[in-house]
Amino acid sequence: DTAVSQTPKYLVTQMGNDKSIKCEQNLGHDTMYWYKQDSKKFLKIMFSYNNKELIINETVPNRFSPKSPDKAHLNLHINSLELGDSAVYFCASSPGQISSGTEAFFGQGTRLTVV
Amino acid sequence: AQSVSQHNHHVILSEAASLELGCNYSYGGTVNLFWYVQYPGQHLQLLLKYFSGDPLVKGIKGFEAEFIKSKFSFNLRKPSVQWSDTAEYFCAVNAWGEAAGNKLTFGGGTRVLVKP
Repeated sequence: DTAVSQTPKYLVTQMGNDKSIKCEQNLGHDTMYWYKQDSKKFLKIMFSYNNKELIINETVPNRFSPKSPDKAHLNLHINSLELGDSAVYFCASSPGQISSGTEAFFGQGTRLTVV
Repeated sequence: AQSVSQHNHHVILSEAASLELGCNYSYGGTVNLFWYVQYPGQHLQLLLKYFSGDPLVKGIKGFEAEFIKSKFSFNLRKPSVQWSDTAEYFCAVNAWGEAAGNKLTFGGGTRVLVKP
């Protein structure tokens, strides 16, 4: 019973391509997130959605476009991939907004390598 | 904006040794504090969390952490580590209030290697 699942787990692609990463949670949570973990393991939030509405966009390049078709899904589409986009991308969800004191549950991550 | 710093980037120790990982945050308001663990090749898992009440919190796998508000610290401890504790450990802070945003802010992580 995977609570937060991401696909694919690994993604290798060439510069300039467009790719998507999918995320689904079966926890019934209202809020979902995308985090980026760089090569130094530093984790930083990219986006946060609450009930399909964007509530955080942390100055991420507009080549990155999240899409939330419903509360259980938050997909990440990346246009014109660059070498610097190589990282591990983690999806997460929480029962409410983090600022209300809930905890986040993370997916297994998608390792994106741009060559 | 809040920030989180973890003092040790790498820690190497032997089995049965005691572990303490430092975490400090900068935010003047109310916070919730978390420690997550990432085993090799796996996702982040919650070890423990502090929301309110007793500042000494106990988590899974024998870990505990102490919130010291005056020091803005939330250090993680385990009295006797095992080889299976080899992992990356992340401290995270959720700051209350609209100005702080609805997000977890993570420290840079500490890689712990336990030698058998």
